[in-house]
Amino acid sequence: NAGVTQTPKFQVLKTGQSMTLQCAQDMNHEYMSWYRQDPGMGLRLIHYSVGAGITDQGEVPNGYNVSRSTTEDFPLRLLSAAPSQTSVYFCASSYLYSPLHFGNGTRLTVT
Amino acid sequence: SQELEQSPQSLIVQEGKNLTINCTSSKTLYGLYWYKQKYGEGLIFLMMLQKGGEEKSHEKITAKLDEKKQQSSLHITASQPSHAGIYLCGAGHLAQRGSSNTGKLIFGQGTTLQVKP
Repeated sequence: NAGVTQTPKFQVLKTGQSMTLQCAQDMNHEYMSWYRQDPGMGLRLIHYSVGAGITDQGEVPNGYNVSRSTTEDFPLRLLSAAPSQTSVYFCASSYLYSPLHFGNGTRLTVT
Repeated sequence: SQELEQSPQSLIVQEGKNLTINCTSSKTLYGLYWYKQKYGEGLIFLMMLQKGGEEKSHEKITAKLDEKKQQSSLHITASQPSHAGIYLCGAGHLAQRGSSNTGKLIFGQGTTLQVKP
């Protein structure tokens, strides 16, 4: 099983550019979420989804959009990149009553 | 919202020594998850604790959930270089005792462990 796949692994953007971080899971998990990881701050929840067509905001949603058109995919869109969005982004998925399965992360630098 | 605080933030131990990492919640814990992360990689699930007083072990790692103290601890016995990494605790958005997360875990800030050979 591939599990949770994130692409790209690395990305450099200029301020103001937009991009989409891709996340796909092949475990038929209902729940998917996006986190960002910054030094000394652990993981902070950006957006999450409890099923196709249903999304909600986490702790730090500003500057990010998500959609969930299928069970498998949960892309994260940066509308206008800012240096404050330099971070490592993790996508995760799970069933109810199960631990989160994480992807290997996308390391994003905004200059 | 629930907040989780881990202590210590970083730890350096000699190989073979025991160590403990704590995770304290600002609200009552009905369940808690422990993950490990190696630098530049994703998070690996270690253990899930759901009941007050529950204790689980895997190889040399033991986790306990003390519901009264709103705290969980992760104990490593006879540490090895392979134990090095970042340990994170996470708690789910629990509506009631016995329920689980909705893919919406809140995490502590992490504890960085170095094990010197």
